[in-house]
Amino acid sequence: QVQLQQSGPRLVTSSDTLSLTCTVSGYSISSGYYWGWVRQPPGRGLEWIASITDSGKTYYNPSLRGRVTISADTSKNQFSLKVDSVTAADTAVYYCARHGSGWTGGQLDVWGQGTMVTVSS
Amino acid sequence: QSVVSQPASASGTPGQRVIISCSGSSSNIGDNFVYWYQHLPGMSPKLLIFRNSQRPSGVPDRFSGSKSGTSASLAISGLRSEDEAEYFCAAWDGRLSGPVFGGGTKLIVL
Repeated sequence: QVQLQQSGPRLVTSSDTLSLTCTVSGYSISSGYYWGWVRQPPGRGLEWIASITDSGKTYYNPSLRGRVTISADTSKNQFSLKVDSVTAADTAVYYCARHGSGWTGGQLDVWGQGTMVTVSS
Repeated sequence: QSVVSQPASASGTPGQRVIISCSGSSSNIGDNFVYWYQHLPGMSPKLLIFRNSQRPSGVPDRFSGSKSGTSASLAISGLRSEDEAEYFCAAWDGRLSGPVFGGGTKLIVL
């Protein structure tokens, strides 16, 4: 059974960097699929942030490009997200998830537990 | 503002049939499969419908999905109180090279 376990601080100070890690068990992240981050601000819909493929290729939502970095550590079977220069607008529940691409790209079949990150001033 | 549009809310009484719509564009829904998720407060989203109309094992046949052109819909028949949740659609977007999501529809069972 594939499981994703998120870790990282729930409170980040404005202008600092938000860092989250997703540890995968039951499947090797270098074996296939895309591994991504999605967030949901309070009262709003889900927004895709970034994804990394099994071969290490990265994709970013243009609305966040320049502030976001996604990376993977295959030795630990983890992938991570960093968001620089955070503001109150980055306050959201952050999820990591496994998904496909193309026709199956909308299938996020395994999700992390979610982390409510609050940006404080 | 989401790339894919959904009504903010929908409602129905127990036993009724409710339909939730999802409208996108040629770069997402028009070109790729649509997926539907049920999202309960404090939980991670649960896959409800995959490849437009297929149900994962364990999802009741009260839930059904369809797609036509750049739009899709989720139908829930025999509405139950436990169906009260947020529902959102998702599809791959070829221009973004990432998934896009509808804004979510909060279903209220009266």
